[in-house]
Amino acid sequence: AQSVTQLDSQVPVFEEAPVELRCNYSSSVSVYLFWYVQYPNQGLQLLLKYLSGSTLVKGINGFEAEFNKSQTSFHLRKPSVHISDTAEYFCAVSDRKDSSYKLIFGSGTRLLVRP
Amino acid sequence: DGGITQSPKYLFRKEGQNVTLSCEQNLNHDAMYWYRQDPGQGLRLIYYSQIVNDFQKGDIAEGYSVSREKKESFPLTVTSAQKNPTAFYLCASKASGVSYEQYFGPGTRLTVT
Repeated sequence: AQSVTQLDSQVPVFEEAPVELRCNYSSSVSVYLFWYVQYPNQGLQLLLKYLSGSTLVKGINGFEAEFNKSQTSFHLRKPSVHISDTAEYFCAVSDRKDSSYKLIFGSGTRLLVRP
Repeated sequence: DGGITQSPKYLFRKEGQNVTLSCEQNLNHDAMYWYRQDPGQGLRLIYYSQIVNDFQKGDIAEGYSVSREKKESFPLTVTSAQKNPTAFYLCASKASGVSYEQYFGPGTRLTVT
């Protein structure tokens, strides 16, 4: 069964510093990949997605992610973070062959941006 | 504005009572999903529906029930059989065709004491 690993439960970083949030998935089957952001007591908002094509994907709020098939990874990056980026970030995968388009989520990474 | 609404935002119930969480969307999406979120565990799929009058169990369906009588609505009932119902519940929907992402509602925080 597909699984998603976000190794870092919390990542503290200073404002204007770069950040990378790591995501690895287990299955070798073709997948769609997503990063979502969640602010406290709110729903999830899509940051970016990888469906096909270029392995470098740009999203909203200056975030980008790179799909690496050989390493089954989809790490999220931002060159310079703001206080407002403090939130929880979830990586999710969907099996291309599953017509239900179910999402399998990682356990989340809490990004804490300090002034 | 198009979107997904979940009501209420906070819900409190006594143990042994059934409770129904509302999810409504005006995005004209065919598929709808219910997830449960617990601290440190990410989101887990409870039930999903790809078309009216049809739904399937997700990974943690025990103690829950759903209905899909209208395209816009996908209510979730948390029954007294659910052993640990206190959690944050999120509803999502997805359009048919080439759109692959799910759109999420604001969630309902259920507390059972």
